Amino acid sequence: EAQVTQNPRYLITVTGKKLTVTCSQNMNHEYMSWYRQDPGLGLRQIYYSMNVEVTDKGDVPEGYKVSRKEKRNFPLILESPSPNQTSLYFCASSLKQGGNQPQHFGDGTRLSIL
Amino acid sequence: AQSVTQPDIHITVSEGASLELRCNYSYGATPYLFWYVQSPGQGLQLLLKYFSGDTLVQGIKGFEAEFKRSQSSFNLRKPSVHWSDAAEYFCAVGSRGDMRFGAGTRLTVKP
Repeated sequence: EAQVTQNPRYLITVTGKKLTVTCSQNMNHEYMSWYRQDPGLGLRQIYYSMNVEVTDKGDVPEGYKVSRKEKRNFPLILESPSPNQTSLYFCASSLKQGGNQPQHFGDGTRLSIL
Repeated sequence: AQSVTQPDIHITVSEGASLELRCNYSYGATPYLFWYVQSPGQGLQLLLKYFSGDTLVQGIKGFEAEFKRSQSSFNLRKPSVHWSDAAEYFCAVGSRGDMRFGAGTRLTVKP
């Protein structure tokens, strides 16, 4: 089954403790992206990747890092999480460049930073 | 800079009534336009997309949307709403690498 898998689905942690949210897709997609969803703001793009070893900033990259060492995986790293990063996070992928391709979304990761 | 506006935060319609969700965008070139639906606790599912050609596009679940370049709009419609359509709906505009989403419209369906 074609899917985008995020882990963990839920996480409560404390300020400053490094965390990684994993994202994996099994569709051989070139493009992957991370979003955060906050009430009243919709989804905002954090980082995206056009292909392996190619990443770029979205609208709200501050406080986040990503890597794309292999095609299927695109982890989101919070080196020193802060409470304002409490949010619902989605990973997405598409076959080619994201702008003109529909994206497949994971089920989301709810992060709470205390 | 490209942007997407969904003017209605929350809409309530009766089951069986027609539905129109509004979306306006601001973008310098011909945009790639999408509508996604999000059910509670779920990720986003693509309803339909517009890249070029016929300005009326059909999607899944009986939805359609019309691209109006002169009005910079891409409104979503459904002739008869079902209770299962209750969800949050997002309009999105894409370019080469990035994607911008509207703030969403939450749809409530009355019995």
